[in-house]
Amino acid sequence: LAKTTQPISMDSYEGQEVNITCSHNNIATNDYITWYQQFPSQGPRFIIQGYKTKVTNEVASLFIPADRKSSTLSLPRVSLSDTAVYYCLDTNAGKSTFGDGTTLTVKP
Amino acid sequence: ETGVTQSPTHLIKTRGQQVTLRCSSQSGHNTVSWYQQALGQGPQFIFQYYREEENGRGNFPPRFSGLQFPNYSSELNVNALELDDSALYLCASSFAAEQETQYFGPGTRLLVL
Repeated sequence: LAKTTQPISMDSYEGQEVNITCSHNNIATNDYITWYQQFPSQGPRFIIQGYKTKVTNEVASLFIPADRKSSTLSLPRVSLSDTAVYYCLDTNAGKSTFGDGTTLTVKP
Repeated sequence: ETGVTQSPTHLIKTRGQQVTLRCSSQSGHNTVSWYQQALGQGPQFIFQYYREEENGRGNFPPRFSGLQFPNYSSELNVNALELDDSALYLCASSFAAEQETQYFGPGTRLLVL
């Protein structure tokens, strides 16, 4: 299972758009790209998933280039409650390897 | 709330003991995966169960074992506990046809003294 690379931490302010980029250097053909959010003392929460191009849901957008070696999670107009750790994963049949995640801190 | 529950929420054991952690899947989910999350790190995949059989395993020794029951609930058993086993243990459930989307429980915090 491949391990991804992402920034350790990011800061933002309320109302801004936040983009978190992840490297998927060892992604396999059958892997999906999945992002999770985790608050302290809770299990990770599914945010969004894609295989290639762009995916959008009610909370985020996911951009995946044609070579699939990277992905970008976009969070529009963040609020203080979006302060959390964000993980990007290569997933294959539900078997996932989490990296160390990006700690996003949203400031007022 | 994901509908995935775990018990107990917290547990303290001593080195060398054995522990059993339990997980109830979200209704209808037939696949369960277990993860270990050390403080400050991402979750590490232990193993996955589907149709009551192990269906993939991460880099964990055999003293980590599991069971899945006909109602899709699951147990994680750890024998001969070591201090480094102290962590948050997470289970995640999914539909077999949608295994890429997992729903995590709140975890069990295990402390080994």
